Amino acid sequence: NAGVTQTPKFQVLKTGQSMTLQCAQDMNHEYMSWYRQDPGMGLRLIHYSVGAGITDQGEVPNGYNVSRSTTEDFPLRLLSAAPSQTSVYFCASRTGTGTHEQFFGPGTRLTVL
Amino acid sequence: GQNIDQPTEMTATEGAIVQINCTYQTSGFNGLFWYQQHAGEAPTFLSYNVLDGLEEKGRFSSFLSRSKGYSYLLLKELQMKDSASYLCANPDNYGQNFVFGPGTRLSVLP
Repeated sequence: NAGVTQTPKFQVLKTGQSMTLQCAQDMNHEYMSWYRQDPGMGLRLIHYSVGAGITDQGEVPNGYNVSRSTTEDFPLRLLSAAPSQTSVYFCASRTGTGTHEQFFGPGTRLTVL
Repeated sequence: GQNIDQPTEMTATEGAIVQINCTYQTSGFNGLFWYQQHAGEAPTFLSYNVLDGLEEKGRFSSFLSRSKGYSYLLLKELQMKDSASYLCANPDNYGQNFVFGPGTRLSVLP
């Protein structure tokens, strides 16, 4: 099992550009989430999904879109990048039962100039 | 939202014991998680408490008091590799929206 994979690992954008951060998991997990992590602020939830075709907003959703067309994939789209979106982005997945342990991808380090 | 508080930084000596505290709002409780995150890496799961009391797992133990909205992570026989950030997290009522604390950065000194 590859677990949770994310691409790219690093990305530099100019203000106003758009891009998609990719996330995939091969554990057949129902739940997937996107977080951003900024210094001193911990992990903040952007969007999450409880299954294919179902998404919902987290704590900081503005400027981001998601879709969940398959169980495996959960891409995060930045519509018009802003310097405030410079951050480390983590994708996570978990089952809907048991301990709800989340498995995190390796992260994408995004810089917006 | 659910506020979670943790100390920002802690320092301890190799071989010692350290306790990292976490306080949270008690409404909508659905378990308390601890994650470890080394610098530049993803968080990894350490423990999960849903009932009051102490859960022991090797050198790491986690304690929960639901009535007080309080948890701690106890690390024994500290090793240099334990230098990392420790995050506590609390799901919302539906177990879907996880709220993470800011993390405690632990430095283990020789």
